[in-house]
Amino acid sequence: EAGVAQSPRYKIIEKRQSVAFWCNPISGHATLYWYQQILGQGPKLLIQFQNNGVVDDSQLPKDRFSAERLKGVDSTLKIQPAKLEDSAVYLCASRQGPNEQFFGPGTRLTVL
Amino acid sequence: QQPVQSPQAVILREGEDAVINCSSSKALYSVHWYRQKHGEAPVFLMILLKGGEQKGHEKISASFNEKKQQSSLYLTASQLSYSGTYFCGTESGANNLFFGTGTRLTVIP
Repeated sequence: EAGVAQSPRYKIIEKRQSVAFWCNPISGHATLYWYQQILGQGPKLLIQFQNNGVVDDSQLPKDRFSAERLKGVDSTLKIQPAKLEDSAVYLCASRQGPNEQFFGPGTRLTVL
Repeated sequence: QQPVQSPQAVILREGEDAVINCSSSKALYSVHWYRQKHGEAPVFLMILLKGGEQKGHEKISASFNEKKQQSSLYLTASQLSYSGTYFCGTESGANNLFFGTGTRLTVIP
């Protein structure tokens, strides 16, 4: 069974630029999450989708972050404009029902 | 809603045991445990559900005290491969997890 796929794996941008990350969850997983993990901290939930609807985006900085999950499968997370403090690993995860949650390899973002 | 983990870090020699604790201020439906190695994504270890039994896998097991909103991860006879940062993820509903700050475990020969 294929795991959660993410791209790119690494991205370096300058502050005020825009960036987008892509995630393809495990086939059949209705729930998709985006997390931000700053070095030395645990993953912080940014947004949760159930199929193509948003369940929880209370911790998403909506003035600069946006996410969508068209057709209830792939998802993209965008940052516009980026700030220095956005430097982190962005993890995508998927889940089916109340079972275990699987993480993708993450995208390491460096904002200069 | 972030759970609190303790200790923050621990160093063990091969063969020693360790306990990592996770506590929440909210009533919990489930607790998930993950291990993350440097530069890698978190890897699922086990899930403990409210009303469920203590889980175990080889030398790693966990318990869940629903009344105290606490969970503990037990590592027995540690191996070098156990090194990494352990996170608990707690779920109070809405099918989402809140992760603790992590416990860095280092196993030395």
